[in-house]
Amino acid sequence: ETGVTQSPTHLIKTRGQQVTLRCSSQSGHNTVSWYQQALGQGPQFIFQYYREEENGRGNFPPRFSGLQFPNYSSELNVNALELDDSALYLCASSSYRASSYNSPLHFGNGTRLTVT
Amino acid sequence: AQKVTQAQTEISVVEKEDVTLDCVYETRDTTYYLFWYKQPPSGELVFLIRRNSFDEQNEISGRYSWNFQKSTSSFNFTITASQVVDSAVYFCALSEATGANNLFFGTGTRLTVIP
Repeated sequence: ETGVTQSPTHLIKTRGQQVTLRCSSQSGHNTVSWYQQALGQGPQFIFQYYREEENGRGNFPPRFSGLQFPNYSSELNVNALELDDSALYLCASSSYRASSYNSPLHFGNGTRLTVT
Repeated sequence: AQKVTQAQTEISVVEKEDVTLDCVYETRDTTYYLFWYKQPPSGELVFLIRRNSFDEQNEISGRYSWNFQKSTSSFNFTITASQVVDSAVYFCALSEATGANNLFFGTGTRLTVIP
């Protein structure tokens, strides 16, 4: 069973730039969620994708956007980067079935983004 | 509003000691789910347990056990006979039924097990 994989592992960007982070879901999973984890804090929900559509969003501005592809992989895009965007970005996948609760989230190792 | 409080920021224990990590939650929903995740230095969040609000039975899995008490809105996690490999940050999280994958995490407890 292939787990959740994220790329790149680390990234350094300058304020105002744009960044794209990538995630491959665990095999058999059809939903992807993204979380932001600032240093010393718990992860915060950004959004979730199911069937290539956004299906739930946390308290993040529109410059945080995403995509889910037919193979269930996903991208997180952040425009106009700010210093406070520096964090560990975690991708998680799960299996959604309409008749029952989602399977627990399985997380990747994350992408550490530093904005200077 | 949802809230998860992990009052213990850091805990250090000597190997083989038992340790309990506290978690207190707030929610207005009657149906909700509680989780514990482990985050080792590699950064990956490792799923440990999920509990729904209708199941207050305590659970034991090897050296791990969980005590869910709705009366005190607590979901505490105990590690028995701790080992160095248990050193990590542990997060408690809450999900309300309407937001299945929207987990609200606490700020975590850093556990250090000293050999």
